[in-house]
Amino acid sequence: DIQMTQSPSSLSASVGDRVTITCRASQSISNYLNWYQQKPGKAPKVLIYTTSSLQSGVPSRFSGSGSGTDFTLTISSLQPEDFAAYYCQQSYSIPLTFGGGTKVEIK
Amino acid sequence: EVQLLESGGGLVQPGGSLRLSCAASGFTFSGYAMSWVRQAPGKGLEWVSTITTGGGNTYYADSVRGRFTISRDNSKNTLYLQMNSLRADDTAVYYCAKHPFEYITSWFDPWGQGTLVTVSS
Repeated sequence: DIQMTQSPSSLSASVGDRVTITCRASQSISNYLNWYQQKPGKAPKVLIYTTSSLQSGVPSRFSGSGSGTDFTLTISSLQPEDFAAYYCQQSYSIPLTFGGGTKVEIK
Repeated sequence: EVQLLESGGGLVQPGGSLRLSCAASGFTFSGYAMSWVRQAPGKGLEWVSTITTGGGNTYYADSVRGRFTISRDNSKNTLYLQMNSLRADDTAVYYCAKHPFEYITSWFDPWGQGTLVTVSS
């Protein structure tokens, strides 16, 4: 199974900050890496798929990069509605696996 | 608009059974792979199971294999998860999720609102 390791597990940031979350796979997954946002009490929603493709309707301040084993999600200027949990997920092989999550909190 | 509506969650005793349903609308259900993903209280996301478009192929996490069965009825646009021999660590919100196409190795979009399963005596 492919293990996904996210860091940090939590971070505090201010509105307007640039935020970067990293995700590392235990083996190469090419570009089969997806990012989700989850707000409290809500279902996750996809932000970015296959490393860097922005889901329709997602603000352009979100971006993704990487390949192989190392990936990043960047929020260029954090907005109040971005305070949430973020998860990476590999879609290279079954079992589909998620990172442990990153909780972005208000500083 | 794509909609996924889960039902069937609730409180069940250890060793018991429960059947979850996910009613789909707004898309051609038979054309897409479907999955169940769960989230224990205060924890992260865990993939549970995936089924191909026609239902001929199913895949399970090791933690549920042999106890859970995923199925679908394309004539009713409904996905199911039969859960047997339930344990306390199966307690979670269970989400139904659509894949963007027929391939199972893909992302989940969208997700249903989730249904809570609590396993406790």
